[in-house]
Formats: sequence, C-alpha cells, structure tokens
Amino acid sequence: EADIYQTPRYLVIGTGKKITLECSQTMGHDKMYWYQQDPGMELHLIHYSYGVNSTEKGDLSSESTVSRIRTEHFPLTLESARPSHTSQYLCASSDSTENNEKLFFGSGTQLSVL
Amino acid sequence: AQSVTQPDIHITVSEGASLELRCNYSYGATPYLFWYVQSPGQGLQLLLKYFSGDTLVQGIKGFEAEFKRSQSSFNLRKPSVHWSDAAEYFCAVGAVFGNEKLTFGTGTRLTIIP
Repeated sequence: EADIYQTPRYLVIGTGKKITLECSQTMGHDKMYWYQQDPGMELHLIHYSYGVNSTEKGDLSSESTVSRIRTEHFPLTLESARPSHTSQYLCASSDSTENNEKLFFGSGTQLSVL
Repeated sequence: AQSVTQPDIHITVSEGASLELRCNYSYGATPYLFWYVQSPGQGLQLLLKYFSGDTLVQGIKGFEAEFKRSQSSFNLRKPSVHWSDAAEYFCAVGAVFGNEKLTFGTGTRLTIIP
C-alpha cells in the first residue's frame, strides 16, 4: 500500500538553527496537513494545503512555514528554532475525491530544541 | 465551536477483557465522528468513522463504536482486547469534507496487562 513518509524521525538541534521537516506521500492525494502533538494534548492543525501552490494556516498559530511545489511533497520549515518549538510534528494527507475522507498519517518527527 | 472530550486519560485492562473508551463531542450540526489509534512511535491510523445511517459502526481490528445523539457520545468498544491493542486512542469530530475542520480529543492511553 502506498504510504506517507516523514523524515527525520527524531531531530535534536540548538536554538536559532533553521530546520526543515520533510513529508512526502505516494498516494497522489491533493490535500496535505501538518499537525503538532504534545503529550497529553490534542492534535493541533498548524498548516494545510488543498493542492500545489495552495497553503493555509491552521487553527494553532505557528511560526513555521510550509510550501507545496509538488503534489507529493509538503515540507515544513522553521527559520529559527526555539525550545518552545519542541514537539511532535505529524504530517497527513487525504483524497478529497472520496466522499468519506480519511486522513493518512506519517510516523511523525519528534523535534527537540535545546 | 466544536470540541471533543475524552474523559479518561489512561485506562488499564486485562488481556481478554472488554473495553469501552468514552468520547463526548460538541458540534453545531450533524457531526462526523472518527476514532484513530496511534501505536508507539507511529502515526495515527483510522479505526472507524460515522457519517450517517446505522449508529453502530464497525471498524478494523474488531472495534466498534456507537453514536448516541441524545448523549452527544461516540464511545469505542471492543469485546475482548489483545496485547497489541495497547496504544493511544483519539476521538475526532468535524466535517466530512475539509479535514482542516477536524477537532481531536486529548487521547486515551490504553495499557493491557496479562
């Protein structure tokens, strides 16, 4: 079955560094999403995209940015990481042509900023 | 605004015992309801979903959930749990189109003891 891939799985970096979290899916889905997940908390949507060159901010304000130059690729970038950015970041995709959409999630990137 | 409450942060059950995970929602219209499972180190996987029709829905891995409009609930059940069911379970509510409107609960961690 086609899948959705996130790299890296774990990332530990120092404050002020620029980082990019990668997300790719091979299912041809037009919609992609980034969620932020902290222990014991609900998932918060931070970015989503309806297709190429389409990006929107989600419910939770985030200092990160995203781009969607290709259908299969939806990277998230932090220009200057801070300890408050420490979290798990989950990428997801869905196919809007289906009447009953379901989200396919990647395995996540656990980010720690020192 | 829509919201989801999962009142149980952590539940421990014996292998072979029955399971019920609670989910209460608040939504202004007819809700679309989902249960996702997250195994350690993995992304979320859809267990089941309810959009309309029969209020008892069957999902993967032997799970089922019942939609009760009068109680604003969508509890997840399994008659006999297996050790592999140990995971975090998330209830979500939103619109069938546009997962950017999907609201997740804070999750219930399920531990299985021999």
